[in-house]
Amino acid sequence: GAVVSQHPSRVICKSGTSVKIECRSLDFQATTMFWYRQFPKQSLMLMATSNEGSKATYEQGVEKDKFLINHASLTLSTLTVTSAHPEDSSFYICSAGRVPEQFFGPGTRLTVL
Amino acid sequence: GEDVEQSLFLSVREGDSSVINCTYTDSSSTYLYWYKQEPGAGLQLLTYIFSNMDMKQDQRLTVLLNKKDKHLSLRIADTQTGDSAIYFCAVTSGGYNKLIFGAGTRLAVHP
Repeated sequence: GAVVSQHPSRVICKSGTSVKIECRSLDFQATTMFWYRQFPKQSLMLMATSNEGSKATYEQGVEKDKFLINHASLTLSTLTVTSAHPEDSSFYICSAGRVPEQFFGPGTRLTVL
Repeated sequence: GEDVEQSLFLSVREGDSSVINCTYTDSSSTYLYWYKQEPGAGLQLLTYIFSNMDMKQDQRLTVLLNKKDKHLSLRIADTQTGDSAIYFCAVTSGGYNKLIFGAGTRLAVHP
């Protein structure tokens, strides 16, 4: 299957700082990528749909000013958690592909102290 | 809104078959998926089924879909210790690419 990478795999930051997470499709182009959040022992919750060349579409309850998404090219989407707080600590996972196949990145574990 | 439900835990003996069940509410879901997640890792796509199919088999994996009852199952034959993981059921939502996930079923395989 196709490969989706994420960077960094793990990040620890202080409260109030911003953190950028990259999602790349390595061997295919993706006009659409998705960002999910997973709390410990819970399911994945879709946060937003990242669209190349246009604004992201956010799910209900997700603050667009807090979670900035930029889909700069057909192989790269970034998620920036602005002014991070401890409650933002979570596992962030991106996915890319075209129906029917959606491939997931390995995830980024964010810990905010 | 859309909802996907799974039992949270399943324990089986090595060599037996495992059956993980999932129910969903969105009758318009076009594709239905099973993903595997090992501790600290991302999701691995195991298999998927198109909504007009009843069954799909891929080596040790068999997916059954009962569209009338909105019930999806994953059968793993000859379950091995390496199959221990969390299995997520997911369905497409609203005709788009986005997926709605169940809570995940933790499969424990014991000798």
